[in-house]
Amino acid sequence: EAQVTQNPRYLITVTGKKLTVTCSQNMNHEYMSWYRQDPGLGLRQIYYSMNVEVTDKGDVPEGYKVSRKEKRNFPLILESPSPNQTSLYFCASSTGVSPLHFGNGTRLTVT
Amino acid sequence: DAKTTQPPSMDCAEGRAANLPCNHSTISGNEYVYWYRQIHSQGPQYIIHGLKNNETNEMASLIITEDRKSSTLILPHATLRDTAVYYCIVTYNTDKLIFGTGTRLQVFP
Repeated sequence: EAQVTQNPRYLITVTGKKLTVTCSQNMNHEYMSWYRQDPGLGLRQIYYSMNVEVTDKGDVPEGYKVSRKEKRNFPLILESPSPNQTSLYFCASSTGVSPLHFGNGTRLTVT
Repeated sequence: DAKTTQPPSMDCAEGRAANLPCNHSTISGNEYVYWYRQIHSQGPQYIIHGLKNNETNEMASLIITEDRKSSTLILPHATLRDTAVYYCIVTYNTDKLIFGTGTRLQVFP
């Protein structure tokens, strides 16, 4: 089944403790992206990647890092999480011309 | 990307057609109209998209006015599982979708 898989689904952590949210797609898509969703603000793009070893900032990149060493994986890294990064995170992928496929989300709480 | 305007909420009786409007008066010639929906904090799900012509797939129909300044998403026979937030997005760049606040559709029995 074609899908975008994020892990974990839920994560509670403390301020400053580095964490990684993984994202993997099995559709051989070139394009991958991370969004965060907050009440009243909708979905906002954090980072995106057009292909392996190519990443670019989205609208809200501060406090996040990403890497794209392999086509199928696009992890989101929070080196020093803060409470304002408490949010619902979505990974998405596409061929670049096809509609985006989204994962089921990761709900992150930073205390 | 062109800005879109959608009503914040709508109701629809189960089995009836749900018609969700979207205004995009500043749309440019190369921008597509995309519709996604999000069911209760799940990942957004692609529904349909179009440029000029009306489109239909197994999920919905998309009607775009001749001047392309507005469109309507039609769910022909709404079910309770269609209760969701529906997003209308106008873009030429499928890599960067700007999600607004959408329309919260409530389907009732």
